[in-house]
Amino acid sequence: NAGVTQTPKFRILKIGQSMTLQCTQDMNHNYMYWYRQDPGMGLKLIYYSVGAGITDKGEVPNGYNVSRSTTEDFPLRLELAAPSQTSVYFCASFTPGGNTGELFFGEGSRLTVL
Amino acid sequence: AQSVSQHNHHVILSEAASLELGCNYSYGGTVNLFWYVQYPGQHLQLLLKYFSGDPLVKGIKGFEAEFIKSKFSFNLRKPSVQWSDTAEYFCAGGGGADGLTFGKGTHLIIQP
Repeated sequence: NAGVTQTPKFRILKIGQSMTLQCTQDMNHNYMYWYRQDPGMGLKLIYYSVGAGITDKGEVPNGYNVSRSTTEDFPLRLELAAPSQTSVYFCASFTPGGNTGELFFGEGSRLTVL
Repeated sequence: AQSVSQHNHHVILSEAASLELGCNYSYGGTVNLFWYVQYPGQHLQLLLKYFSGDPLVKGIKGFEAEFIKSKFSFNLRKPSVQWSDTAEYFCAGGGGADGLTFGKGTHLIIQP
């Protein structure tokens, strides 16, 4: 089972460049999330989506955009990369109901902005 | 607003020592609590979770956690750690539409 797949795994950007981090899941989960992980800071929620066509801001949305045109895909876009966006980005998904609530994570995308 | 705090940011133990990592939560409503582990260079994996019922929850790899409502705590324990337990451990709460709120993590190093 593929689960949650993120690409690319590593990327170096120059200040002001733009890029899209791809995320796709094959578990038919409605809810999808983008987190960033910085040393000593844990994970911070950037954006989330509860279904196709619906997105909402998380705790740290500035400088990012998302879209959710299908259930499977939830890309994260950086329009004007800044050094403060150097981080490891994790995509996650889950489906509510029952007593699960467990997030399934992708393997992460390490982004460096120079 | 919900919050999750972890007491120790760095813990160093010798193999076979007992482990307890602290986690406190602060939010109302339904309490869903999780512990995730992140091995070096890998993504987060679920260790265990608590939703309701028995406050002592057993997870994978010999880990367990106890939900103590009166103390707003959900501490992670393991009676005897191994070198392979070296990792970062995250406590998290929530599980609704807006996902989980994570603590800042505890970096655990097990010395052989």
